[in-house]
Amino acid sequence: EAGVTQFPSHSVIEKGQTVTLRCDPISGHDNLYWYRRVMGKEIKFLLHFVKESKQDESGMPNNRFLAERTGGTYSTLKVQPAELEDSGVYFCASSQGGRGGNTEAFFGQGTRLTVV
Amino acid sequence: QKEVEQDPGPLSVPEGAIVSLNCTYSNSAFQYFMWYRQYSRKGPELLMYTYSSGNKEDGRFTAQVDKSSKYISLFIRDSQPSDSATYLCAMSRTGRRALTFGSGTRLQVQP
Repeated sequence: EAGVTQFPSHSVIEKGQTVTLRCDPISGHDNLYWYRRVMGKEIKFLLHFVKESKQDESGMPNNRFLAERTGGTYSTLKVQPAELEDSGVYFCASSQGGRGGNTEAFFGQGTRLTVV
Repeated sequence: QKEVEQDPGPLSVPEGAIVSLNCTYSNSAFQYFMWYRQYSRKGPELLMYTYSSGNKEDGRFTAQVDKSSKYISLFIRDSQPSDSATYLCAMSRTGRRALTFGSGTRLQVQP
């Protein structure tokens, strides 16, 4: 079974440009999450989709970040315009649906974003 | 103050040693506790998942949760050089699936 897949693995863009990151979750996983790790900091939650709906977007830093999950399958995270402080590693994770409690989240390999 | 505190290390041990990794947390609402292993340039890999307090064992790995002390541990028995990685604790509360991570402890197992 394929794991969580992220594209691209690495992106270098100039300040002010737009970048779109893609995540393909594990097949059948209703829950999809975005996290990021900026230099020297811990991994931080950005947002959570249940199927195509945003369940929790409390971690999104500002309105330059836009996440979508078309048809409840893959997801994209767009940064527009990118700023220097957006550099870091962006992780996507997915988990099965679960009533009440939590379920294990499985992570992709991450997209390393460098804004210059 | 961070919600989850984790010693960044590095922690260096000889092959075969027992390793103890720990996290403390401040939010008593956390109910789900996880340990992830992350190799360089890779994504976090789920190692152990525990709900509420107690112990859980899987092969050479044992996870412990002490909610009264807000303290969780991961023990690795008979450590191997292939265990060299960064170990991340993560936790979440009921009704909210967002994970709160520790900063990670870098472990080096010397052959």
